[in-house]
Amino acid sequence: EIVLTQSPATLSLSPGERATLSCRASQSVSSYLAWYQQKPGQAPRLLIFDASNRATGIPARFSGSGSATDFTLTISSLEPEDFAVYYCQQRSNWPLTFGGGTKVEIK
Amino acid sequence: QVQVVQSGAEVKKPGASVKVSCKASGYTFTSYGISWVRQAPGQGLEWMGWISAYNGNTNYAQNFQGRVTMTTDTSTSTAYMELRSLRSDDTAMYYCARDGALTAAGTGCYYWGQGTLVTVSS
Repeated sequence: EIVLTQSPATLSLSPGERATLSCRASQSVSSYLAWYQQKPGQAPRLLIFDASNRATGIPARFSGSGSATDFTLTISSLEPEDFAVYYCQQRSNWPLTFGGGTKVEIK
Repeated sequence: QVQVVQSGAEVKKPGASVKVSCKASGYTFTSYGISWVRQAPGQGLEWMGWISAYNGNTNYAQNFQGRVTMTTDTSTSTAYMELRSLRSDDTAMYYCARDGALTAAGTGCYYWGQGTLVTVSS
C-alpha cells in the first residue's frame, strides 16, 4: 500500500498570504494524485486531479504541481473561505490511499 | 444535474451489520464506479473500497477485506456498502463518491454523497 505523508499538519496563515502544502508518496504514483478540500460538516470537494488539473469550478488561485513522489498544492492568496483541511489522494495503485491532511487555519 | 444521495443515519450494536445505500442520478450509472470513504469523528479520510458499476469489479482496502461487501443495482442506479461485525471504532461518517468505471487513474471524485453517520454502541 502506498503511504502518503502530508506536511505540515497545520499551517497558520493570514488572508491574502500564500499557502504551500506538501504531499509525499512512499513510491511513485506518476501524476495520479488528487487534492481535496474539506470544511467541517461537509463532504470533501475535489480541487485538483492528475497532480495539476483544476476540477470544474475551482478558482485559479488553487494550483497543483509535482510528479512521482513529491507534490505541492499552492493557494496563491488565501481567501476567508479557504481555511479548511486539505487531503491528497493517490489514484495510481489499488488500494487508493489518502494522506493524513493539512489544516489551514487563520493566524 | 448529477446527484448522489445516501441513506439515513444508522445506530447499530457491536457485532451487527450495516448496509448503506448510495443512489445516483443525472448521469449514466454504468459509465462510472463508486468509491466508499469513511471518516471517524475528528479524524482524516479513509478509503474503504471501490466498485465498478460498469462490470461489478471491486477493490477493497486491506483493513476491510473479509468484512465489507460493495454491490450495485444497475436497475435503480444504486450502490451499496455492507460492513459486518461492527465494532465501536467503526463509528464514523460514511461517504460514497462517483469514481472511474475501470480505473482511478486520470480522474478524481467530483460528486459525493452527503454522508451517512453510522454509530456503533451497546
